[in-house]
Parts: sequence; structure tokens; C-alpha cells
Amino acid sequence: GENVEQHPSTLSVQEGDSAVIKCTYSDSASNYFPWYKQELGKRPQLIIDIRSNVGEKKDQRIAVTLNKTAKHFSLHITETQPEDSAVYFCAASLETSGSRLTFGEGTQLTVNP
Amino acid sequence: GAVVSQHPSWVICKSGTSVKIECRSLDFQATTMFWYRQFPKQSLMLMATSNEGSKATYEQGVEKDKFLINHASLTLSTLTVTSAHPEDSSFYICSARPPFGGINYGYTFGSGTRLTVV
Repeated sequence: GENVEQHPSTLSVQEGDSAVIKCTYSDSASNYFPWYKQELGKRPQLIIDIRSNVGEKKDQRIAVTLNKTAKHFSLHITETQPEDSAVYFCAASLETSGSRLTFGEGTQLTVNP
Repeated sequence: GAVVSQHPSWVICKSGTSVKIECRSLDFQATTMFWYRQFPKQSLMLMATSNEGSKATYEQGVEKDKFLINHASLTLSTLTVTSAHPEDSSFYICSARPPFGGINYGYTFGSGTRLTVV
């Protein structure tokens, strides 16, 4: 089955700096890669996703890059703000409705004012 | 957008009792529902995949007789934790994905259930 590894497990940045979280996946058939932000005790919230036919996607301060050959994808947050502090999870799956989503271990991001 | 409603949001039960958690897809038909468990400071771990009208598929190490899953309709899946013990205390969350057919919907999550077994 799919295995997703995520680094770093914790990340502390100063407000305004950029944050980068990296993930690798094992199943070359995976073609859907979402990123989630989860606040304590709440459901994961989708912040951005990318499909394997695209190498990069951007939404305001958030961007995701995908390298299919190397089987890794990264989340980039620019101009970080204290409200960006949360746990971020990467995930991977096949692009079919019945496919499971496999999560990385998570990254605790802390943005210091 | 696609919404999954999960109840209860939190429950405290005594050791040895059973607890039922419900997940309903409100505006789409979910032929498949995924059940995750999340311990503090850990990731979401898939417990089982429930399929409407058929038996659930359990992940390795998950006791199917302890975590009963029923997916009797296209909009409702339930997880029953039987004979709960303190080590079952966790955050349980369901997820579904609207049918893939030209609309790029991602996975939709329920709001989660915080189970505390005392």
C-alpha cells in the first residue's frame, strides 16, 4: 500500500518568513495530493491540492509543487502569519471516488509574532 | 459543497459499554465511507473502509469485532465501538468523497467524535 513520509515534524518560523513542508510517497500510481490544515480538535481542512498532471499550483500565499519522477511534493507558505500556526498534513491517493487517502505524519507549524 | 455530518461530537462512556458514531452525507450519495482514528499529536490512521451494502474492509491490526461498521444506505455509515476500554479513547473521524464524474471534489470530512472511555 501507499506510504507517505512528511518532514519536518515541527517547524517554527518568524512572522513574514516562508515555511516549507516536504512529503514523499511510495506508490507511483498515486495521482492526487491534497494538503490539510488541522486545528486542535477539529476536522482537517483542505488548503490546496494538486493532481499528477500538474507540476505546480498556487493559491495566494500557498503553493504546492509535485515531482512525479522523484515521488515527492512540497507545500510552500509565504508571508506567514500567526494564524497559520496549526498542524499540516500531506496525503496521497488515487483519483477515484473509492480510493483511500493516506496521510503523512503531520507538521506542527508555529509562526512567532 | 459536499457535507458530511458526524454525531456525536464528543462522548464519555464507561469501560465495557458500547458507543455508536454516525456519519451522514447530506448532499451526495457516499457509496464508500472511510473511518479514521487520531490519537493526540498523531496523524489520521485509516481504520476501515465501509461500502454501502457490503462488508467493511478493515486495516491490518483493527479488530472488526470490536469496531463494527454498518453502511446500510448511501447516506449513512455508522461505527460502533463495542466493549470500549480506556485505550479506545481517541478522535474518530469519517470521510467520504463525492462521486468522481467531471467535478474535482476532494475528500469531505465529518467534524469528528472525541471518545473518552472512563
